[in-house]
Formats: sequence, C-alpha cells, structure tokens
Amino acid sequence: QQQVKQSPQSLIVQKGGIPIINCAYENTAFDYFPWYQQFPGKGPALLIAIRPDVSEKKEGRFTISFNKSAKQFSLHIMDSQPGDSATYFCAASLRGAQKLVFGQGTRLTINP
Amino acid sequence: DADVTQTPRNRITKTGKRIMLECSQTKGHDRMYWYRQDPGLGLRLIYYSFDVKDINKGEISDGYSVSRQAQAKFSLSLESAIPNQTALYFCATRDGGGLGNEQFFGPGTRLTVL
Repeated sequence: QQQVKQSPQSLIVQKGGIPIINCAYENTAFDYFPWYQQFPGKGPALLIAIRPDVSEKKEGRFTISFNKSAKQFSLHIMDSQPGDSATYFCAASLRGAQKLVFGQGTRLTINP
Repeated sequence: DADVTQTPRNRITKTGKRIMLECSQTKGHDRMYWYRQDPGLGLRLIYYSFDVKDINKGEISDGYSVSRQAQAKFSLSLESAIPNQTALYFCATRDGGGLGNEQFFGPGTRLTVL
C-alpha cells in the first residue's frame, strides 16, 4: 500500500522554468512532510520540509505548497538551473513514529 | 570523512549466496535505518533500530535480517539472495533526541543478484 503517491515519475524543463512535483497522502495523522534531493551516485539529502500548520514554506528557490484539505503537497523550483537536475522524493511521517514513508520519486532534468 | 559510510559500494553475487551490507556512522545518532530503492517504487523501509537492543521490521523485511553491533554500526544481511533483491540499498541515521526529523543517508550500495 503506497501511502504517499508522487507524480510525475519524470520531468524535463528548460533552464529558468518552474518544475512542479506533486504528492498526495492518505493518512491524515501525518504531521511532517519533507522533500529529499538525490544526485546520481549519492544518497538522498533533506532539501526542505513543512508541517501541516502552514500552507507554504520557501527556502531560496525551493517552495513547498501544502493543501491540508486536499491532502496534497508540492515542490516548486523557481528559476531552475541544470544543477537542479536530480531525483526528488517527497515523504511523510507520523508524529513520534520517527520513520518516513517515501513517494515513488521524480527524476528531474533541467536542460540548458 | 563521510558521516555515514556503507560497504561495499557495489556487489555482484549469485542466487542463494548470503550477503552482508555494512553501515557505519560517526554522527553519534541512535536511530538507524535500512532502505532499498527501486525505480518507480521510491525508497522502502526494510528495518530500523532505535538503539542496540531495539530492532524493528519495516514494510519489506521478508528475506532480510539485521544486526546492530554497536550504536555506530548497523548491518543488513540477505540470507539467501534472489534476483528480485537486486536494488540500491541505503543506510540512514537520525538523532532521536533532537528536535528535527532529518535523516542522513549514506552513499548507497548497488547490489546485483544474478
């Protein structure tokens, strides 16, 4: 059972465009929603995270938008650069559970 | 030096062989995790440990076992490897006593079972 569903599986965007990656979750008890970034040959690394008490969080060019009623959240990358090309994973966690449920991943390519 | 290391980085083995993947960390974290990554399936939790005496199954533990030899070391074993265990395996750590929820991942082990 996939508790966090991520789309699209792959995405190609021109430099300067705004790629958007979407995730939907089922369990309303989830209270922590991180995004991880993974470059080829490396392990995933935390990029940005949000809790359900806010609808948006920005860190540099990366923004999470969160819609609690729809049980959806998304990652937006402003002014995308070729160096942003990576695989992105959304995830969710229950309060106190200390383990993450990951989405399927999105392979993002930013063309020069 | 990397905070979370995994050995080996690449391994090719045959069906039926016993394989051990090792993870070591210098972050001083108590929580450790093993995941496997498959295209289109994301990262799935195999086992996790909150301390040396606490081992828990994740969502896909069948065919795997783990050992927490010390706070800094967490090993994953495949007792009798099969081809559908071909995947990228990651170890991760977390500070259970900290305020944050961030998990720190190792560089991964690419395992191929022929």
